Amino acid sequence: QKEVEQDPGPLSVPEGAIVSLNCTYSNSAFQYFMWYRQYSRKGPELLMYTYSSGNKEDGRFTAQVDKSSKYISLFIRDSQPSDSATYLCAMMASGTYKYIFGTGTRLKVLA
Amino acid sequence: SQTIHQWPATLVQPVGSPLSLECTVEGTSNPNLYWYRQAAGRGLQLLFYSVGIGQISSEVPQNLSASRPQDRQFILSSKKLLLSDSGFYLCAWSSQNRGGQPQHFGDGTRLSIL
Repeated sequence: QKEVEQDPGPLSVPEGAIVSLNCTYSNSAFQYFMWYRQYSRKGPELLMYTYSSGNKEDGRFTAQVDKSSKYISLFIRDSQPSDSATYLCAMMASGTYKYIFGTGTRLKVLA
Repeated sequence: SQTIHQWPATLVQPVGSPLSLECTVEGTSNPNLYWYRQAAGRGLQLLFYSVGIGQISSEVPQNLSASRPQDRQFILSSKKLLLSDSGFYLCAWSSQNRGGQPQHFGDGTRLSIL
């Protein structure tokens, strides 16, 4: 079993839809959670960063962490064609230098 | 603000040739530095990380090596490239000031071995 599982997609939605992207993990020591957006032929760009459980909102993006279920989510409201990209989740345990990444979900927002 | 530079963006090399990819970070001091390789559908594979000058940790035995000659400079090298070294190479940094800080990535180098 991988430490982090992420559906590769592709996920296709119409413009304006609410998008839900998810990752599950097995290591209960993870405390720091990140979401990255990666456009084709570019490096990942940090979207959201959260510590421990709870919600965090930034514009059209909301990150949720449920440590009891070992489940994290990224919601995108009013999705735009420019949101079409691969979304990577990442997580880290306290006191380590290593980040564990999901394989990424490819999102297509159709105009 | 902090920025990370990676070059070249694209590189085509013959099998058996040497390799040097460079990464520099600006606007911060004493960062943690990382080299990853990204293969389609397989996520990010951590190759090396460094917590200080001259301190390199290798995650995967392979044909590559890394060096950190200056605080904000990280170099990925090979003496003889293999076909299997083709891929998308990403450099990243994170702050050491507090634990659990997120990583920030460069725009990568796409390496093709012929």
